[in-house]
Amino acid sequence: SQTIHQWPATLVQPVGSPLSLECTVEGTSNPNLYWYRQAAGRGLQLLFYSVGIGQISSEVPQNLSASRPQDRQFILSSKKLLLSDSGFYLCAWSTPRGIVSEQYFGPGTRLTVT
Amino acid sequence: GQNIDQPTEMTATEGAIVQINCTYQTSGFNGLFWYQQHAGEAPTFLSYNVLDGLEEKGRFSSFLSRSKGYSYLLLKELQMKDSASYLCALDSWGKLQFGAGTQVVVTP
Repeated sequence: SQTIHQWPATLVQPVGSPLSLECTVEGTSNPNLYWYRQAAGRGLQLLFYSVGIGQISSEVPQNLSASRPQDRQFILSSKKLLLSDSGFYLCAWSTPRGIVSEQYFGPGTRLTVT
Repeated sequence: GQNIDQPTEMTATEGAIVQINCTYQTSGFNGLFWYQQHAGEAPTFLSYNVLDGLEEKGRFSSFLSRSKGYSYLLLKELQMKDSASYLCALDSWGKLQFGAGTQVVVTP
C-alpha cells in the first residue's frame, strides 16, 4: 500500500531564517506531487505541483520554492521566512490516470514563524 | 476564478442527516471532490463526482449538477466522529482548488 511521510511535524522558526520541509511517498511510482498551505481558519491553497523529477510548476508567487530531486521526494524551501509563511503545510500525491484521480495527503507540517 | 462557496458552519444532532452545499462559478473542470478534515489533521478523501448525479458511499453521498454549478455532500446517520470540516474542491487537470470548508458540529 502507498504511504506518504512528511517531516518535521511541527516547526518554529524566526523571521528571516531558511526553511526545508520534506515529503516522501512509498509504494507507488511516478506520482504527481503537490504542496499545499492552509492558513489558520482558511482553505487549502495549492503552492506547487510536480509531474516528474525536476518538473515543478508554481501556482502562487511567493518566497517559497520546491524541488523534486527523486521520483518520490518533494521538498519545499525558503531562503528567508516571512511571518505570513506561518501555516499548515501539506504534501499530497496522486497517480495520474484518466481524467480525474484523487489526491492523498500526508500528515502535514505545522510551521510557526516568530 | 472558480469562486467556490460553502457555508461556514452547520450543527446537527447525532443520528440525523446533514446536507452540505457547495456552489461554484467556473468555465470548466474535470471533477468535484469532497474531503473530510478533523481539527489539526490532514484532509482525507471522501468522494468525487465527474458526471451529474448522485454517488453513494455508505453513509456519505455526493451529488453534482454542472448546469446549476452546484454540489452537495449528504451525511446520514450522523455520528459524533463526523464532527469535522468538510472541504469541496474542483479538479482542473490534476490541480485542486478548495473551498474554505464547512465545519460540521454533531451534538448528542
